[in-house]
Amino acid sequence: EIVLTQSPGTLSLSPGERATLSCRASQTVYSTYLAWFQQKPGQAPRLLIYGASGRATGIPVRFSGSGSGTDFTLTISRLEPEDSAVYYCQQFASTPLTFGGGTKVEIK
Amino acid sequence: DVQLVESGGGLVQPGGSLRLSCTASGFTFNSHWMHWVRQDPVKGLLWVSRINDDGGSTRYADFVKGRFTVSRDNSKNTLYLQMNSVRVDDTAIYYCVRRGNIAGHYYLDVWGKGTTVTVSS
Repeated sequence: EIVLTQSPGTLSLSPGERATLSCRASQTVYSTYLAWFQQKPGQAPRLLIYGASGRATGIPVRFSGSGSGTDFTLTISRLEPEDSAVYYCQQFASTPLTFGGGTKVEIK
Repeated sequence: DVQLVESGGGLVQPGGSLRLSCTASGFTFNSHWMHWVRQDPVKGLLWVSRINDDGGSTRYADFVKGRFTVSRDNSKNTLYLQMNSVRVDDTAIYYCVRRGNIAGHYYLDVWGKGTTVTVSS
């Protein structure tokens, strides 16, 4: 099973600042199979990034993904108040599909 | 509008059974593999099961293998999860999720709102 470790656990930043979220895999994940999700309280996860760097439909350009191998990053270039949420990475490379533990982004 | 709507959740006693349903609309259901993912406050998001587009291939997480069965009725645009011998730690929100595929990129692109399963005596 591929274990995904996300850091930091919580990120507290001001509007307009840049957020950098990390996802580290326990073994190599081909970038095609790495995704990021955003989840707000009481809602289902929403796909942000697929294939490590592709933006899903309707996702603002301030969200970007990068990385390869075992290290992946989600960057929010300029935080907006509505970006307050928990962000999860997820791999599709092998079964069982697995999710990271999440990074909570708080807007000051 | 592309939509997935789960139903069938509720309170069930340990050792009991429950069947979850997920009705799809707004897209060609029989062209997509489908997944069940669950979420609880302690363990977070956990993949439960998946089924291919024609229902001929299924996979399960080890913690539900032999207890849960995924199936689909493409004529009714509906996905199912039969849950038997449920345990207290099966308590979670269960999401029905569509697998998308663009140029070899696989992703869970459409999620239902979820249905809550509570296992308690």
